[in-house]
Amino acid sequence: EAGVAQSPRYKIIEKRQSVAFWCNPISGHATLYWYQQILGQGPKLLIQFQNNGVVDDSQLPKDRFSAERLKGVDSTLKIQPAKLEDSAVYLCASAHSTGGQETQYFGPGTRLLVL
Amino acid sequence: SQKIEQNSEALNIQEGKTATLTCNYTNYSPAYLQWYRQDPGRGPVFLLLIRENEKEKRKERLKVTFDTTLKQSLFHITASQPADSATYLCALEEQAGTALIFGKGTTLSVSS
Repeated sequence: EAGVAQSPRYKIIEKRQSVAFWCNPISGHATLYWYQQILGQGPKLLIQFQNNGVVDDSQLPKDRFSAERLKGVDSTLKIQPAKLEDSAVYLCASAHSTGGQETQYFGPGTRLLVL
Repeated sequence: SQKIEQNSEALNIQEGKTATLTCNYTNYSPAYLQWYRQDPGRGPVFLLLIRENEKEKRKERLKVTFDTTLKQSLFHITASQPADSATYLCALEEQAGTALIFGKGTTLSVSS
């Protein structure tokens, strides 16, 4: 079974520029998450999708971050304009529930550096 | 306020010993508690899940306990090996199918 794919793996941009990340979840997984992991911290949820609908985006800074999952499969996360504090690893995870219990499978992440 | 705390940022032990990592939480009522392993430059990898009504779960050399009265989970690695060196993350799931709430992690180093 193929894992969660993310691209690019690394990105360096200047502040106020825009950037987009792509995620391809495990086939058949209805739930997709984007997390932000700042160095030395645990991952923090940005947005959760169930198929192509948003379940939870309460922690997404909507003035600069946006995300979509148009066909309920791949997803993109965009930052526009980027700030220095957006430097972090952006992790995508997918999941399917088995009897109410859910295991999340994470991709390798995209490491973003904002200069 | 709601907090998840993992007892130490770093833990150094010798090969063959048992590593014990602690996760404490306040002002959460998790239905599930999960432990993940993260290697440098990689995403977290699921290790074990324990439900609120379970006291203990085992998988090979790994053991997790969950005490909802103390609001604490302990994660044990027995007969530790250098290959166990990694960051271990504790994560709460308040309801099935909701996002995980992670602690900062504990970096374990096992020396030979």
